[in-house]
Amino acid sequence: GAGVSQTPSNKVTEKGKYVELRCDPISGHTALYWYRQSLGQGPEFLIYFQGTGAADDSGLPNDRFFAVRPEGSVSTLKIQRTERGDSAVYLCASSLNPQVNTGELFFGEGSRLTVL
Amino acid sequence: DQQVKQNSPSLSVQEGRISILNCDYTNSMFDYFLWYKKYPAEGPTFLISISSIKDKNEDGRFTVFLNKSAKHLSLHIVPSQPGDSAVYFCAASASSGAGSYQLTFGKGTKLSVIP
Repeated sequence: GAGVSQTPSNKVTEKGKYVELRCDPISGHTALYWYRQSLGQGPEFLIYFQGTGAADDSGLPNDRFFAVRPEGSVSTLKIQRTERGDSAVYLCASSLNPQVNTGELFFGEGSRLTVL
Repeated sequence: DQQVKQNSPSLSVQEGRISILNCDYTNSMFDYFLWYKKYPAEGPTFLISISSIKDKNEDGRFTVFLNKSAKHLSLHIVPSQPGDSAVYFCAASASSGAGSYQLTFGKGTKLSVIP
């Protein structure tokens, strides 16, 4: 497809398990972002990639969260030892230009994570 | 500490009337503002934006107004249509540093347009 693709769309896991969420950005978009939307909240910034490197990971809540983008395209968000508070919709977005005032962010449909 | 605030969780409007969605911000570094629309089970989609050098931007039925002194912006939809029913997020960014690529979102306002 032409849009940002995220898999899985839904993931239910048990507390303490490991989870991976995948994002396939729009072809040619060098900038990739992960946001997290908890219930009743707006999306919150987690991490930004420019190419293969994480240019800013200041939004990751703790060291249980990690993200990679080894070839500058697909990205994987990894969550270790999941906790119930990690339950949220994880949104991925991509753009041609990282400056939000010059380029539109295109969001995927999100991966809904539920930790029991 | 909410830097972008949308104080109305929901709004109901009759079809054909005007919808006004409000947003306040506290960070003086914000100089670019956006509205995103979100349908259930979909990602947010960009609707309209405004730079702090302007006080109004119009795109079809959608107009965004910015009052910098009050740190307030609003989205007007005229006339409202049932297909406009969605959650609307206000977002802000700064043109330098981390703010140039990070968006700070409000909690959203759920708009219901009644036929």
